[in-house]
Amino acid sequence: KAGVTQTPRYLIKTRGQQVTLSCSPISGHRSVSWYQQTPGQGLQFLFEYFSETQRNKGNFPGRFSGRQFSNSRSEMNVSTLELGDSALYLCASSIGTGDEQYFGPGTRLTVT
Amino acid sequence: QQQVKQSPQSLIVQKGGISIINCAYENTAFDYFPWYQQFPGKGPALLIAIRPDVSEKKEGRFTISFNKSAKQFSLHIMDSQPGDSATYFCAAISNDYKLSFGAGTTVTVRA
Repeated sequence: KAGVTQTPRYLIKTRGQQVTLSCSPISGHRSVSWYQQTPGQGLQFLFEYFSETQRNKGNFPGRFSGRQFSNSRSEMNVSTLELGDSALYLCASSIGTGDEQYFGPGTRLTVT
Repeated sequence: QQQVKQSPQSLIVQKGGISIINCAYENTAFDYFPWYQQFPGKGPALLIAIRPDVSEKKEGRFTISFNKSAKQFSLHIMDSQPGDSATYFCAAISNDYKLSFGAGTTVTVRA
């Protein structure tokens, strides 16, 4: 069974731009969660989607948004990028909310 | 603010030795405690997990010990091998299904 895939793997953007990251969950998984990982803050929860609905949200500004499609694929968007948004963005999928999560390899975003 | 406090930040152990990582929490709403292993350039991978009604769980060389009254849990890696060199994260899931991670422990196993 294929694992969680994330595209692109690496991205370089300029301050003020916006970016969209994509995540394809494991087949049969309906929940997708997003995390930001930085050396200073560690792994921080962004939001979770289940059946196209946002179920949970972390403490991030409104510049961070996401959505989930009917095939469970998810996208995360960050608008008006700031230098501090440079991080590894991880997507995790699970069968349902609260089930064990399986992580993708992440998208490394660098904001210059 | 880290809801799950993890220590040490890093540790070095000789091959064949025992690696011990400790975590503590305050939120009594946490009811599931997974551990993740992360290699450079990869996403975290679920290693082992425990529920608070169990005091210990063992899977191969990895053991979780859980002390509900002290709100502490730990990961023991027995017979540590160079391939175990990675960053380990403890985590806790609350009854509203939010996953909170510890800060991580970088384990280096010297051959």
